[in-house]
Amino acid sequence: DIVMTQTPLSLSVTPGQPASISCKSSQSLLHSDGKTYLYWYLEKPGQSPHLLMFEVSSRFSGVPDRFSGSGSGTDFTLKISRVEAEDVGVYYCMQGIHLYTFGQGTKLEIK
Amino acid sequence: QVRLQESGPGLVKPSQTLSLTCTVSGGFISSGGYYWSWIRQHPGKGLEWIGYTYYSGSADYNPSLKSRVAISVDTSKSQFSLNLSSVTAADTAVYFCARGVVGGNPFDYWGQGTLVTVSS
Repeated sequence: DIVMTQTPLSLSVTPGQPASISCKSSQSLLHSDGKTYLYWYLEKPGQSPHLLMFEVSSRFSGVPDRFSGSGSGTDFTLKISRVEAEDVGVYYCMQGIHLYTFGQGTKLEIK
Repeated sequence: QVRLQESGPGLVKPSQTLSLTCTVSGGFISSGGYYWSWIRQHPGKGLEWIGYTYYSGSADYNPSLKSRVAISVDTSKSQFSLNLSSVTAADTAVYFCARGVVGGNPFDYWGQGTLVTVSS
């Protein structure tokens, strides 16, 4: 099984400041087809999770450009350039190269 | 617009079978372009993928649950279902259904989730 490890597990950010979440996988997520199967989801309070980023760095429909993703192989990062109040929630990374496994989640709160 | 809605008992006794249904509106369930998943979230915890099915009935499961899980599809009703046998308190969770795109993004649409408690 592929294990996904996120850090930190929680962070508190002042509005307008940046935020960064790390995600490491126990195996490379680079497929022979050239794609890297790493995704990011956000679960806002009281809502179902929704897709933010796919294949490391592509924003899903409607996702603001203050969100960006980077990384390769086994090390990935989600960055928010300027945190807004609506960004609160739990962020999950997920691998999709071999079935699906989520990270433990990172809770973002506003200071 | 695609919409997914979970339904089923909110309380199941230990050792019994947990059965949930996800109704898909907006079409697409009969399309070979999608797959249909169940995901759960233990109280206060993270997300765990349970398994998926295609419209053809072909399915795959989380190895940790494989011996107890069956996911089936009924395209005539635009529904797919989860059966989880021999449940214990450890199966208490919010259960979500979700859609994935074949060759595309996993879990692009989710249901609202339904809480299932395992207790006598």
